[in-house]
Amino acid sequence: DAGVIQSPRHEVTEMGQEVTLRCKPISGHNSLFWYRQTMMRGLELLIYFNNNVPIDDSGMPEDRFSAKMPNASFSTLKIQPSEPRDSAVYFCASTPTGRITDTQYFGPGTRLTVL
Amino acid sequence: AQKITQTQPGMFVQEKEAVTLDCTYDTSDPSYGLFWYKQPSSGEMIFLIYQGSYDQQNATEGRYSLNFQKARKSANLVISASQLGDSAMYFCAITTSGTYKYIFGTGTRLKVLA
Repeated sequence: DAGVIQSPRHEVTEMGQEVTLRCKPISGHNSLFWYRQTMMRGLELLIYFNNNVPIDDSGMPEDRFSAKMPNASFSTLKIQPSEPRDSAVYFCASTPTGRITDTQYFGPGTRLTVL
Repeated sequence: AQKITQTQPGMFVQEKEAVTLDCTYDTSDPSYGLFWYKQPSSGEMIFLIYQGSYDQQNATEGRYSLNFQKARKSANLVISASQLGDSAMYFCAITTSGTYKYIFGTGTRLKVLA
């Protein structure tokens, strides 16, 4: 079975450019999470979807960040315009049902560098 | 709101010895789940073990066991017979029935010495 798929794996861009990160959750999973990991702030939850609906976006840092889940098999996280402080590893994770007993399955992450 | 505290930024252990990584949590929700993940230097997040708040027994998965002390709100990870490949960051996380969000601790970096 394929795990959570993220693309690109690495992204280098210049300040001010738009960045789009993509995620394909495990087939059949109905909850999807976006995280950001930095040395300074650790692993932060940005937003979480259940059945393609955003449930909690309180972790989205500011209006420059937006996330969508148009269907059960695809989600995007967009940063526009990007800034150097957005440099981090962005993880996508999915769970089967959204219950507290669910294990989160993480993708390999996208390492974003904003120059 | 729930919270996870991992007080050990770094730990060393000799190969083949056991090591305990500390995790304390805070939540007012009686129904919650506790997780441990491993993040090697390659960066992926690997699920290790799960403990539910109503589970009567401590969880075990191979060389991993969870020392769950509910009254103390602690969920320490015990790795037995450490191997060089256990060198990694280890994260404790909690999720509750109230929010279904996973809150992660700051992690403990474990180094296994040959």
